[in-house]
Amino acid sequence: AQSVAQPEDQVNVAEGNPLTVKCTYSVSGNPYLFWYVQYPNRGLQFLLKYITGDNLVKGSYGFEAEFNKSQTSFHLKKPSALVSDSALYFCAVRPHGSSNTGKLIFGQGTTLQVKP
Amino acid sequence: NAGVMQNPRHLVRRRGQEARLRCSPMKGHSHVYWYRQLPEEGLKFMVYLQKENIIDESGMPKERFSAEFPKEGPSILRIQQVVRGDSAAYFCASSVQGAAGNEQFFGPGTRLTVL
Repeated sequence: AQSVAQPEDQVNVAEGNPLTVKCTYSVSGNPYLFWYVQYPNRGLQFLLKYITGDNLVKGSYGFEAEFNKSQTSFHLKKPSALVSDSALYFCAVRPHGSSNTGKLIFGQGTTLQVKP
Repeated sequence: NAGVMQNPRHLVRRRGQEARLRCSPMKGHSHVYWYRQLPEEGLKFMVYLQKENIIDESGMPKERFSAEFPKEGPSILRIQQVVRGDSAAYFCASSVQGAAGNEQFFGPGTRLTVL
């Protein structure tokens, strides 16, 4: 079955420190990978995506993510965390292939807490 | 350019009533997706529509749920005879195209509470 796993329910980091939010996936074929952020009582905002090419993808608000095919991972990173980065982060995968109809498969989400 | 619009933002229904959730995609987008987010869970795909067509409804419950995206007007997610388990946040997303790596843009969601 196709799935996305975010192994950490919550990640705590001090402001100014680097952060990593982990994501692994299990899909057939080459996936398209996405990260979204959700603030309280808001919809999801697109951060970045991996389609093809460089394994390191840069996105909005200083975030980046590294695609690792051998480890089937797509971890989200930021060199220096801000308190305003505190939110719920979702990794999502869109399987690529003839049977794909565009739907996204989401992980369960990771709450990021950045403390001053 | 307005983003994806959803209304109402909050909807309260009693068991057995009907809920209608509306979604207007971003300008120029003709592909609409509905997702449901249960408390403490991630988003689960429900249905994918293009204008006047349902492309993939593999995530829709077999009964009481229906969706449409008419030629004119917003996409509608309809839940008949709601039950408490339908309480959730329902998100609509739109994209320019359904395939390839086009990102989906999400609306603010409708939070349905069933009493």
